[in-house]
Amino acid sequence: DAKTTQPPSMDCAEGRAANLPCNHSTISGNEYVYWYRQIHSQGPQYIIHGLKNNETNEMASLIITEDRKSSTLILPHATLRDTAVYYCIVEGSARQLTFGSGTQLTVLP
Amino acid sequence: DAGVTQSPTHLIKTRGQHVTLRCSPISGHKSVSWYQQVLGQGPQFIFQYYEKEERGRGNFPDRFSARQFPNYSSELNVNALLLGDSALYLCASSLGQASYYGYTFGSGTRLTVV
Repeated sequence: DAKTTQPPSMDCAEGRAANLPCNHSTISGNEYVYWYRQIHSQGPQYIIHGLKNNETNEMASLIITEDRKSSTLILPHATLRDTAVYYCIVEGSARQLTFGSGTQLTVLP
Repeated sequence: DAGVTQSPTHLIKTRGQHVTLRCSPISGHKSVSWYQQVLGQGPQFIFQYYEKEERGRGNFPDRFSARQFPNYSSELNVNALLLGDSALYLCASSLGQASYYGYTFGSGTRLTVV
């Protein structure tokens, strides 16, 4: 499975877009990019996933570069409740998720 | 619809004891996975069960075992508890085996070994 690299922490002003980067330079063709987040003391929450194309849902947008070596999760209007650890995970058809250390996003009032 | 439910929410055990943690998946989900999350780290995969059979196992000792019942609920058992087993134990359910089905996690069981 490809490894991912994320910044350990980021801040974002409330109401602004939060852009969380992830590098996955060794990703292979059949591997998906997943984003989960974990609010303190709760279980991880699925946000979005994609293979090649950009994806959008009610929570976020996922932008994957054309070479698929990096991606960005965008929370369009961050709120205080979006403060969490965000995990970028790259997996193929594996039957598990391999979590790294993630990015601690702090939304500031 | 109820989400993934885990019980108990908190547990304190003594070294050497045995513990059983329980998980009920979302209705219709046939896959249950277990993860261990030590403080300050990301969750680590322990097991996956699908259709009552073990389909994946992480790098954990044989003291860890699990099973899935006909109603798709699951138990995680840990024998001969060590202090290092203190962690948040997470259960995740999914429609199918593969990652792209998406996992829904429960809130976890906080196990403290003293």
